[in-house]
Amino acid sequence: KQEVTQIPAALSVPEGENLVLNCSFTDSAIYNLQWFRQDPGKGLTSLLLIQSSQREQTSGRLNASLDKSSGRSTLYIAASQPGDSATYLCAPRESWGKLQFGAGTQVVVTP
Amino acid sequence: SAVISQKPSRDICQRGTSLTIQCQVDSQVTMMFWYRQQPGQSLTLIATANQGSEATYESGFVIDKFPISRPNLTFSTLTVSNMSPEDSSIYLCSVEDGAGDWETQYFGPGTRLLVL
Repeated sequence: KQEVTQIPAALSVPEGENLVLNCSFTDSAIYNLQWFRQDPGKGLTSLLLIQSSQREQTSGRLNASLDKSSGRSTLYIAASQPGDSATYLCAPRESWGKLQFGAGTQVVVTP
Repeated sequence: SAVISQKPSRDICQRGTSLTIQCQVDSQVTMMFWYRQQPGQSLTLIATANQGSEATYESGFVIDKFPISRPNLTFSTLTVSNMSPEDSSIYLCSVEDGAGDWETQYFGPGTRLLVL
């Protein structure tokens, strides 16, 4: 059974600092991996999807890396802003569509 | 990307009753899923809603408790039956359209359920 761990569980940084969020998973036989953000009381917003054949994916200030063989993915957020405050979830996907979620990293960016 | 709506957005129910949650997508999609997020927890997949056939349930979830319908490619319902306080959760619908976005999953806003 796929186990997903996200470290740290919580993170508080001043505005402008770069954020590094880590995700590890136990079964490397994944199809892709998706990063989401969840705002309090809201649904999930897809940030990035990285295919199992890719090493990296970028969107604006966000960059996700994937090391499938070692079961790790990292989400980098450059020059953080207070609007980046949210819970970030990683979810590796098994071949038939199931996402397995980690517990998330709760991020607070202070002005 | 697909736009997903859910009804109701929230509800407070009495134990022993049932609630049906609706999920509507603005385009035809190949796959639809139902997830549960218990208080303070991450998301857990309940089932995959299959168009024209019975849903595929994950371990620990059964059809009698969580019957699902998917009559077409844009709509699905999840019923939470014979509710108890342990069913208090956020229920989220997600979709995957398999085209253009390389199977990105998109989520609805969720239905917040409190069972008293």
